[in-house]
Formats: sequence, structure tokens, C-alpha cells
Amino acid sequence: EVQLVESGGGLVQPGQSLRLSCTISGFTFGDNAVSWVRQAPGKGLECVGFIRTKGTTEYAASVKGRFTISRDGSISTAYLQMNNLKIEDTAIYYCTRVRGSYPRYWFDPWGQGTLVTVSS
Amino acid sequence: DILMTQSPATLSVSPGERATLSCRASQSVSTSLAWYQQKPGQPPRLLIYDSSTRATGVPDRFSGSGSGTEFSLTISGLQSEDFAVYYCQQHYNWPTFGQGTKVEVK
Repeated sequence: EVQLVESGGGLVQPGQSLRLSCTISGFTFGDNAVSWVRQAPGKGLECVGFIRTKGTTEYAASVKGRFTISRDGSISTAYLQMNNLKIEDTAIYYCTRVRGSYPRYWFDPWGQGTLVTVSS
Repeated sequence: DILMTQSPATLSVSPGERATLSCRASQSVSTSLAWYQQKPGQPPRLLIYDSSTRATGVPDRFSGSGSGTEFSLTISGLQSEDFAVYYCQQHYNWPTFGQGTKVEVK
């Protein structure tokens, strides 16, 4: 069974950093890309970025230069390093397995998500 | 980025009836369109990809159609577990989502 479990969310002040983790099972990073998708409270969905099977990454314009996605295959964990956080980064962050062929990606399944709150 | 627009924002339907949700893309996405269902406190669940292909385990009362810029999701014979928010997502290039349609009990 494919599963993704996020952790690391919490309350931070604007300008601070936070690192989220996503532990995968049932597939490997060599099989599928992994993406981070966020959902602001009561709002819609935004793809933050993804890391492809070969390890290359792409990011949404809203987070480029501030967020970095990486992975450690030895422990089946992907990371989302978030620097210089802004109030508008407040959201539930979901880790997802990517399906399809680049760039035609859809997402299945999704983890349960971890809440990041940026507030002073 | 491609802008996805869903309508209506809220759809009131009685159990057992049919619901039709619409999604429009700001430019052609061919048939690269996915649909997700989200219930309160849960992550989205993939229903449809490639406009009309049901994901594994999705009941056949869910059907998708469309191409280019106009798409629809039809739920035939709504069941209690189908009342939720539905999102479309184009997977033609950088993924973007619609703002969602809430299907509520009439």
C-alpha cells in the first residue's frame, strides 16, 4: 500500500525557517516524483513544487528562492525546507505521489498533511 | 500559469439525483484534466485523470468528460458519502487547481 506521512509543521514567526518531512512507503523515489501541495485555511490548492525521479526540482513562482525540496532515499524521506516564511505561507502542506509523465503530473495518493502557521 | 475556473461554487442536490460540475481552463489543456474529492479534515482523493479515466477504486457513478477548455464531472445517483468539495486540476503543464465546487445536500 502506498502511504505518505508528513511531519514537522508548527507555529513560526515571519522570516523564520521550518523543515517539513514526508516519509514514503509502498514506492521509491526512483519510481515516482514527489510533490508538495499546500492549502491555505478554507482556500484552494497550490502546487508548491516537486522533486523528480532523477532528483531535479521545480518550484512555484510564489516560493522559488525560499523553499527547497530534497530527499534521502536511504530513509525514504522527502523534505521541504522553507526559509524566510511569510504570513501567506500559512497552510496545510500535503506530500503527494506524482503520477503521469513530466510535465503532465497529477497527484495520487496524498498524505494527511501538516499545518504550518506563520504569525507574529 | 493556466487559470482554472469551476462552477457553480455550491451545488445543492438531493440524494439519488445527478450532479454535474463544470471546470473551464483559460487555455487549451487537451484532455489533461484531473478531478479530486475532498471531505472535511481529509486530504484530496483522486477521482479522475486524463479527463475521463477513473482512478483505482472509484465507483462508476463518477464520470468525467471534456477536452480543450471545457470539462465536466458527473456524479450519477448521489450517495451520502459523495457530499464534499470537488476540485479540478489541469495536468497539461505546471499543475493548477480550480477553486472548488461544494456539493451539499438539498
